[in-house]
Amino acid sequence: RKEVEQDPGPFNVPEGATVAFNCTYSNSASQSFFWYRQDCRKEPKLLMSVYSSGNEDGRFTAQLNRASQYISLLIRDSKLSDSATYLCVVNGDSNYQLIWGAGTKLIIKP
Amino acid sequence: NAGVTQTPKFQVLKTGQSMTLQCAQDMNHEYMSWYRQDPGMGLRLIHYSVGAGITDQGEVPNGYNVSRSTTEDFPLRLLSAAPSQTSVYFCASSMAGTAYEQYFGPGTRLTVT
Repeated sequence: RKEVEQDPGPFNVPEGATVAFNCTYSNSASQSFFWYRQDCRKEPKLLMSVYSSGNEDGRFTAQLNRASQYISLLIRDSKLSDSATYLCVVNGDSNYQLIWGAGTKLIIKP
Repeated sequence: NAGVTQTPKFQVLKTGQSMTLQCAQDMNHEYMSWYRQDPGMGLRLIHYSVGAGITDQGEVPNGYNVSRSTTEDFPLRLLSAAPSQTSVYFCASSMAGTAYEQYFGPGTRLTVT
């Protein structure tokens, strides 16, 4: 079983719609959780950290469910510029190693 | 601030050749790391460093060496290139470990023939 699993997509979504991704992780001891965004042929960039109580940043909402070991990302009122691959990231057994999901590709259509 | 810089952007090697990928950051970050990204897979950690003079292995260290003589620089050396090392390589840095935002360089696309 992969340590961090994501649906690879692609998710084809009309502009203005709401879209949600889930990500499951296998290490119950993980303490740090993140969503990164990666544009085609570019480097990953932090979208948001995920906190235990859930957190929101504009149109983006992240949730953590420790009991079921998954994190989610919700994007409301999607924009063409949201088209990218979204990477789920969880810290590993130490504080110096991150485990990365393979990413979910999102395509926003006009 | 330039952030994290990597050179070269593209490289083609023949099997058995060696080379060094350069990485530098100007943010005074203690933690630096090297990843490779292959299609359909998440980023995989090759080596990391928690400060000058300290390096450690990640998930896929075989065939690669690193050194960290200064806070700013973290070069990755391919000892004897193999086709399996064809990949995109990213260098990243953060303030102190994985609980903090990772800042990535633009990547090096390496092809080994």
